[in-house]
Amino acid sequence: GESVGLHLPTLSVQEGDNSIINCAYSNSASDYFIWYKQESGKGPQFIIDIRSNMDKRQGQRVTVLLNKTVKHLSLQIAATQPGDSAVYFCAENIGGGADGLTFGKGTHLIIQP
Amino acid sequence: DTAVSQTPKYLVTQMGNDKSIKCEQNLGHDTMYWYKQDSKKFLKIMFSYNNKELIINETVPNRFSPKSPDKAHLNLHINSLELGDSAVYFCASSQERGSSSYEQYFGPGTRLTVT
Repeated sequence: GESVGLHLPTLSVQEGDNSIINCAYSNSASDYFIWYKQESGKGPQFIIDIRSNMDKRQGQRVTVLLNKTVKHLSLQIAATQPGDSAVYFCAENIGGGADGLTFGKGTHLIIQP
Repeated sequence: DTAVSQTPKYLVTQMGNDKSIKCEQNLGHDTMYWYKQDSKKFLKIMFSYNNKELIINETVPNRFSPKSPDKAHLNLHINSLELGDSAVYFCASSQERGSSSYEQYFGPGTRLTVT
């Protein structure tokens, strides 16, 4: 079965609020995690990544948290904007690089005005 | 400049036909991939190629065959198309193993509809 999954298929938030998208993984050997954003009709776009030797990593308006104890990954988006509406995927890599990414099922983030 | 491009963007064909989807990347990456995204948005790796060598093949039917004429191209050939092949196919590329990041750059996708 798939080793990466998401808790909620749809997340609705008010514009300006913070969004938190969660992801669980089952393979403790995973050493790299990545979040992608996919807008309708487009390919996945890189948001942020994190290695297993880190607990937190920040980008522009986004933060990824990794809890290896419970095999949990989250993406926090600050001050959510209408342009953040998309499907968000977490993915993991085992072994690195050319082995490909294992994707979770995706969470649809809906921004309410 | 388009980093990863795919053609065609839409492909409608009948069962039993043979079709190809082309992919090109201008990032100088050494590894390219094909993913399939089903109607439920689930993305699954199909193939990856590194220096013209097939790295993985995730139980994909042998009707699907990747062809890499050079490091910048990875085309997907599909024989005897079936209804279940209808999906969006994404090409991606990344730096080879040993890079500091395993980020994969995705193309815009090819929506294949088999009737």
